[in-house]
Amino acid sequence: AQSVAQPEDQVNVAEGNPLTVKCTYSVSGNPYLFWYVQYPNRGLQFLLKYITGDNLVKGSYGFEAEFNKSQTSFHLKKPSALVSDSALYFCAVRDRVGGATNKLIFGTGTLLAVQP
Amino acid sequence: KAGVTQTPRYLIKTRGQQVTLSCSPISGHRSVSWYQQTPGQGLQFLFEYFSETQRNKGNFPGRFSGRQFSNSRSEMNVSTLELGDSALYLCASSELVSGGAGETQYFGPGTRLLVL
Repeated sequence: AQSVAQPEDQVNVAEGNPLTVKCTYSVSGNPYLFWYVQYPNRGLQFLLKYITGDNLVKGSYGFEAEFNKSQTSFHLKKPSALVSDSALYFCAVRDRVGGATNKLIFGTGTLLAVQP
Repeated sequence: KAGVTQTPRYLIKTRGQQVTLSCSPISGHRSVSWYQQTPGQGLQFLFEYFSETQRNKGNFPGRFSGRQFSNSRSEMNVSTLELGDSALYLCASSELVSGGAGETQYFGPGTRLLVL
């Protein structure tokens, strides 16, 4: 079965420090991977995606993610954290079973807390 | 372009009632997906529609149903509500041009349903 794992429920980082939110995946075939962010009482905002090509993907708000096929990981990174980055982050993989579909399989989410 | 809109934003119902939630996708998007978000189960896929046809369905009981109209707007219905149906229901739209490749799903703000 296809799945995504976010091993950390919460990540704490000081403002100005680099941040990493971890994600590993298990899929058959080439993965289509996504990161979304959710602020309180809001929907999900798209940050970035990996489909093919360069392993380092740049996205919105200064975030980037590194696709590592050998480690089946897609970690989200940012060089310098802001307090406003505090939110819930979800990693997701496109379901490749069953033909054409937009179905996303989500991880459990990681709460990022940036301390001033 | 305007984003995905969902109505109503908040809803309170009692057990046994039914509810209908509405989603208007981004203009030009023909694929609409629905997800349920709860603290215990996280984000779970409900169903996906494309050109008025259900393309995919998640593992939910038959009380959950949906449809898509010719203008791509979508509704989901939950009949005989149970306490466990309390959740944030998220709608997402995408273009789905090439049949399930790397299209990004854009999410609405969600409808928060509380079942008493």
